[in-house]
Amino acid sequence: AQSVSQHNHHVILSEAASLELGCNYSYGGTVNLFWYVQYPGQHLQLLLKYFSGDPLVKGIKGFEAEFIKSKFSFNLRKPSVQWSDTAEYFCAVTWRINAGNMLTFGGGTRLMVKP
Amino acid sequence: DAGVTQSPTHLIKTRGQHVTLRCSPISGHKSVSWYQQVLGQGPQFIFQYYEKEERGRGNFPDRFSARQFPNYSSELNVNALLLGDSALYLCASSPGASGTKNIQYFGAGTRLSVL
Repeated sequence: AQSVSQHNHHVILSEAASLELGCNYSYGGTVNLFWYVQYPGQHLQLLLKYFSGDPLVKGIKGFEAEFIKSKFSFNLRKPSVQWSDTAEYFCAVTWRINAGNMLTFGGGTRLMVKP
Repeated sequence: DAGVTQSPTHLIKTRGQHVTLRCSPISGHKSVSWYQQVLGQGPQFIFQYYEKEERGRGNFPDRFSARQFPNYSSELNVNALLLGDSALYLCASSPGASGTKNIQYFGAGTRLSVL
């Protein structure tokens, strides 16, 4: 079955530290990849997306992600986090073989940034 | 522009009852998807509708049903509620149902508590 794994469930960083959150999906084929963020008390927001082309994708608020097809990975990075980045981050994948393109989400990573 | 709107925001039901959740998509979006998010987990896909047709169904029992109306709004119905149905129900809309038109934007959700 298609699945998405986020290995870091909780991450605690100090401000200005660098961030990398892991995301792996179960198998290949043509995929579309997404990172969503959920700030405390707010709804899921799209952070960045990959459909094709340059595997290094830049999103909002200084976030970027790199698609590595050979590793089935789409890790999220930010060089210097801020306290306002405290949130839960979800990786999501659609496989083009699925009609309707449903999003399959990972379990999420809760990030806390200490001021 | 209004985002995805869901109603009600909170709902308390007892076991065995029926519930209807409503979703209005972003103006111009023709596809609506429903997800269930249990506390501490990532959202799980329930249904996707496009142009009033069901385009995808997740691994949920037949107690769950949905429909999409000519104005592209949607309802999710759950019959014979169980305690395990307690969750945040998310609606997402997208311009279309495949490829780059399937970028999904989420509403704030309906928090359902089953007692």
